Amino acid sequence: DTAVSQTPKYLVTQMGNDKSIKCEQNLGHDTMYWYKQDSKKFLKIMFSYNNKELIINETVPNRFSPKSPDKAHLNLHINSLELGDSAVYFCASSQGTGVSSEQYFGPGTRLTVT
Amino acid sequence: GNSVTQMEGPVTLSEEAFLTINCTYTATGYPSLFWYVQYPGEGLQLLLKATKADDKGSNKGFEATYRKETTSFHLEKGSVQVSDSAVYFCAFTGGTDKLIFGTGTRLQVFP
Repeated sequence: DTAVSQTPKYLVTQMGNDKSIKCEQNLGHDTMYWYKQDSKKFLKIMFSYNNKELIINETVPNRFSPKSPDKAHLNLHINSLELGDSAVYFCASSQGTGVSSEQYFGPGTRLTVT
Repeated sequence: GNSVTQMEGPVTLSEEAFLTINCTYTATGYPSLFWYVQYPGEGLQLLLKATKADDKGSNKGFEATYRKETTSFHLEKGSVQVSDSAVYFCAFTGGTDKLIFGTGTRLQVFP
């Protein structure tokens, strides 16, 4: 029973392409997140949705567009991919937005842009 | 601004050695503090947390105490195992649900 799942696990594509990463959680949580982990393992939040509404939008190029069709899904679409987009992208979810809410992470999607 | 500072890795230890990974934070308000662990090829898992000053989080033999006076949340384990080899992330939330992560510390334990 996978709590937070992401597809695909690996994604290799060329510069300029458009790609999507999907995330689903079966925990009944109402808040979902996207994080980017660079080659040095530095993790930074990109977006957060609560009940399908965007609540955190960090300084991310507008080539990145999250979409939340329902509470259980948060997809990330990336237009015009660049070399610097190569990273591991993690989806996470939590119940509520309290400061002590535990976030559950997916296994990650390793994106390689060539 | 809000930030987390962790000791640089890798930390290399022999099995059964004592582990300390230092973490200090800069935050406004009263953050909750977390340690997450990332095993090779996997996502992050919550290892332990503390939500107020002097709280001690503990799990799987790991411990960390929320020290408000020194703004620290150092991770310790008395006797590490090879299976503890992973990257450890200190993190906090302050006022929102946005997790601020440290840069991660890689732990390598050899038999």
